[in-house]
Parts: sequence; C-alpha cells; structure tokens
Amino acid sequence: ETGVTQTPRHLVMGMTNKKSLKCEQHLGHNAMYWYKQSAKKPLELMFVYNFKEQTENNSVPSRFSPECPNSSHLFLHLHTLQPEDSALYLCASSQSIQGAGTEAFFGQGTRLTVV
Amino acid sequence: GDSVTQMEGPVTLSEEAFLTINCTYTATGYPSLFWYVQYPGEGLQLLLKATKADDKGSNKGFEATYRKETTSFHLEKGSVQVSDSAVYFCALTPNRDDKIIFGKGTRLHILP
Repeated sequence: ETGVTQTPRHLVMGMTNKKSLKCEQHLGHNAMYWYKQSAKKPLELMFVYNFKEQTENNSVPSRFSPECPNSSHLFLHLHTLQPEDSALYLCASSQSIQGAGTEAFFGQGTRLTVV
Repeated sequence: GDSVTQMEGPVTLSEEAFLTINCTYTATGYPSLFWYVQYPGEGLQLLLKATKADDKGSNKGFEATYRKETTSFHLEKGSVQVSDSAVYFCALTPNRDDKIIFGKGTRLHILP
C-alpha cells in the first residue's frame, strides 16, 4: 500500500466518451501530479498542483482537464480522446517543502485504452 | 534547464552479475537525487535517494553515491536477482522547486 490510490485500474473508452480518472492520497501531502507513460516513450509530466493550485501544465491538449478540489484528491477528466492517448496514467504526490529531498509517492496507475 | 540522462536499455544480465546503470544530471544549485523502480504492472516506487554531495543512498542491496564533481548518481548492485527485473528511473528535484525531473528509464532483464 503506497498511500496513493488510483481508480479505475483499467479503462477502455470510445473516442466520443467522457470519463474521469481519480487519485486519492492519505499521506498529508500538498503537491499532486499527473504523469503519462506511453510505451517506448519517457515519462511525461502533465500537470502539477501545489496546495490545490495548478502550478504546471506541460502543453497538455484541452481534451485532458484536471481538477483538484482539495489536497487529497486529484481528478483527470477525459473527453473526445484519440487512440494515441492510450497509455498508463500515473498519479503521484509529495510534501511541498522547499530545499528538502522531496520524494514522490506513486499510485499504481490507470491503464487507459482508447478505441 | 534541469535534466537527467541515463543509459539506454534494455540491459540484460545473468543472475548474480554485477549491475551498473549510469545516470548524470544537469542542474543549478544542489538538487536532491533519486532512483525509482517500476515493476511490471505497477507504479513507480522510491528505491533510494541522496540529498547532498557525497551522500550514499542504499536499499535492497542497491547503492548510489551523489557525485557533484562528475554530476553523477550511478546505480549499482553487487549481485542481481531475477526479481530485480524492472524499469529503473533516475530523477532529481531542484533545490527550490518541487517538480520532479525523471530520466527516460532503463529496462533491466535478469536471466536465471
């Protein structure tokens, strides 16, 4: 148990569907992240939230919409996705402390397949 | 900008062989350095870390030393096991930024 829980673990959706990925952390952390991991590509940072405020958006297409209602929960809303969006989506959290060896704790990921 | 470079994989070794996975970094100031491991079907887990120069992180028989003079954080293990087969990521956090920067990952296969 890593303390970061992602649901669902697997998701198959059509290109016209709307779905949401959920991430929950019970570690008291203030920073949360969404990463995309595709086969044979580097881990891609998508969004960063720090104290519920979005601090980074790495040129992610608008068909991905994050939401962070509080420091413990992070969502990724998906709509009109493309097959190339199929990937493992990883959520992570960390304690927001400047200058510390801030390690990230990851969930097990959601394996998304767009058909 | 800050970045991490690690050796390309896959790396294939026999059980009980010595392992080295190279990692070098570019960063201003004094970053913290990490190795993460991802087993099949799982998310990433922290393997070890070092927060200042000359620190040695260690866990599960793996070691890495923070070398500021060579900007390196190479991962080593004296005798690998089949269960060590996974993808290994080198990463850093800049001194005054919570963003975690990952290398591309190195896939390790250990043959029995």
